[in-house]
Amino acid sequence: QVHLVQSGAEVKKPGASVRVSCKASGYTFTTHGIHWVRQAPGQRLEWMGWINVGNGNTEYSQRFQGRVTITTDTSASTAYMDLSGLRSEDTAVYFCARGSDSSWYSEVGYWGQGTLVTVSA
Amino acid sequence: DIVMTQSPDSLAVSLGERATINCKSSQSVLYSSNNKNYLVWYQQKPGQPPKLLIYWASTRESGVPDRFSGSGSGTDFTLTISSLQAEDVAVYYCQQYYSTPLTFGQGTRLEIK
Repeated sequence: QVHLVQSGAEVKKPGASVRVSCKASGYTFTTHGIHWVRQAPGQRLEWMGWINVGNGNTEYSQRFQGRVTITTDTSASTAYMDLSGLRSEDTAVYFCARGSDSSWYSEVGYWGQGTLVTVSA
Repeated sequence: DIVMTQSPDSLAVSLGERATINCKSSQSVLYSSNNKNYLVWYQQKPGQPPKLLIYWASTRESGVPDRFSGSGSGTDFTLTISSLQAEDVAVYYCQQYYSTPLTFGQGTRLEIK
């Protein structure tokens, strides 16, 4: 069955960058898009961006003003989310999630377990 | 950006009773060319990722109990749990996937009365 397994918790200082990985299994990696969504403590879910794994096309939320980059390594069935210029407000649980097809306009049925990123001086 | 607003923020319902959660989008999420509403409902329990319950506003995900149902079109949507079970205690979110950025409601916390 479909599994998305994310990398472990991170603690970073303000201004640093973080990379969160998401290893997929149980399906053909290149035929489904991957989204990244975060959830700050007590806050609503927030969409960060998406990648079409098959062709590498991406869409990003303007809220992150170029700080976020989503990539994949298809040979490893792994997606990555890089977030730079970290500030305390970026403290959140970060989720990867799989769309039902390669587009961004499809429902998301499978989620990783989440990765806590803490930004603190 | 499409703003998603849920009501109420929290809800307490007795076991076996009906629970109704509303979601309103700031613009229509109905795509006229295929007559589909690009709206999903998720359930999230503490320490867990969201679980997909309903997509296309009214299609139940495989394995989701039939006490969960979704309705509505355009800008107004409803998630109904027909007979509340103890395991339904969670936060429920609506989300639109009509346009980027994909956006979520603020969540509705459902508790047992």
